[in-house]
Amino acid sequence: KNQVEQSPQSLIILEGKNCTLQCNYTVSPFSNLRWYKQDTGRGPVSLTIMTFSENTKSNGRYTATLDADTKQSSLHITASQLSDSASYICVVSPRGDNAGNMLTFGGGTRLMVKP
Amino acid sequence: GAGVSQSPRYKVAKRGQDVALRCDPISGHVSLFWYQQALGQGPEFLTYFQNEAQLDKSGLPSDRFFAERPEGSVSTLKIQRTQQEDSAVYLCASSLTAGDNEQFFGPGTRLTVL
Repeated sequence: KNQVEQSPQSLIILEGKNCTLQCNYTVSPFSNLRWYKQDTGRGPVSLTIMTFSENTKSNGRYTATLDADTKQSSLHITASQLSDSASYICVVSPRGDNAGNMLTFGGGTRLMVKP
Repeated sequence: GAGVSQSPRYKVAKRGQDVALRCDPISGHVSLFWYQQALGQGPEFLTYFQNEAQLDKSGLPSDRFFAERPEGSVSTLKIQRTQQEDSAVYLCASSLTAGDNEQFFGPGTRLTVL
């Protein structure tokens, strides 16, 4: 069974600090990996997408890395802000025509940024 | 509208009641997905439509769950004889085409069954 495991489950950091969230997956064959941000009471919003040939992708203060050999990804947040408090979900898509309904979601990391 | 909308945003039902949750996808999006998200967990796939055709309903937890998209746009997720374990956030997402494209999520409907 395809799995996506995220760690840590929750994290508290002080405003201005950096943090790194981890995602390990077993999905194969692999097409792409997305990181989503989900604010409380909202739906997930895509932050980054990486295909198997990409190693790193940045979106402002968010930088995602991917190692397709070890099936690991990380999301690094630089100079955290209070608005970064949210759940961060790693989503892996298999290769195939009907991949849209075969996404595998991780359980998410709940990040709290304190002043 | 600019994004995916869902209604109601919150629903409280007594055990045994039927509920209907509505999703308005982004205009022109072919694919529509329903997910169930338990507290503190990632979304779990329920069902998938391509236009009006329900191509995958393998994630529906029981025959009390039913989804439709009769005209290929708005979709309704119906839960009959609700039970406490149905309490969750129900997310709807749409994507422009079939296959591997970015899914745009609605804000969800939080269902609480008492």
